[in-house]
Amino acid sequence: AQTVTQSQPEMSVQEAETVTLSCTYDTSESDYYLFWYKQPPSRQMILVIRQEAYKQQNATENRFSVNFQKAAKSFSLKISDSQLGDAAMYFCAYSSGTYKYIFGTGTRLKVLA
Amino acid sequence: EAGVAQSPRYKIIEKRQSVAFWCNPISGHATLYWYQQILGQGPKLLIQFQNNGVVDDSQLPKDRFSAERLKGVDSTLKIQPAKLEDSAVYLCASSFTTSGGYEQYFGPGTRLTVT
Repeated sequence: AQTVTQSQPEMSVQEAETVTLSCTYDTSESDYYLFWYKQPPSRQMILVIRQEAYKQQNATENRFSVNFQKAAKSFSLKISDSQLGDAAMYFCAYSSGTYKYIFGTGTRLKVLA
Repeated sequence: EAGVAQSPRYKIIEKRQSVAFWCNPISGHATLYWYQQILGQGPKLLIQFQNNGVVDDSQLPKDRFSAERLKGVDSTLKIQPAKLEDSAVYLCASSFTTSGGYEQYFGPGTRLTVT
């Protein structure tokens, strides 16, 4: 069965600094997708970034980038130039085949002014 | 483009009572998901619809939870009877299709408290 693990319940970063959130997953499939979603306090969950497993190039979206290590089944999120608005719960998620969508337990990111 | 709508936003009920949640997905989205998010945890998929058919309800406690999606648009999730452990945020999400890789768009959620 597929699993998604986020081992950091909480992280803190100073404003304008860089932080990396970790995610590992387990799967026997070769074709799948990985995501990072952001859930701000009392606000809706939104997609931050997406990675296709068949692509070797790491995805980037402005200040957000991933380090995708397929062999190690690792998918970390790097946030550069952290801003106060980045404070949120971040969920790593896995999707494969036709149906399954699995979320990790989340990492709470605090941004210190 | 209007987002995913959910109602009510908050609900407080006593155990053994029943409750229903409503979701209206983004227009044109074939796939609709219901998640349960217990405080401090990630969302857990309860049921997934493709149009008006169920494609995954393996984690839905069918003795007390039920869901339907009439005409492949709006959906309702019902709990009857509720237990204390059902206290959670119930999230509805939709995506263009079921195929892996499509972004899910989430609603604001319904926070259920069972006393």
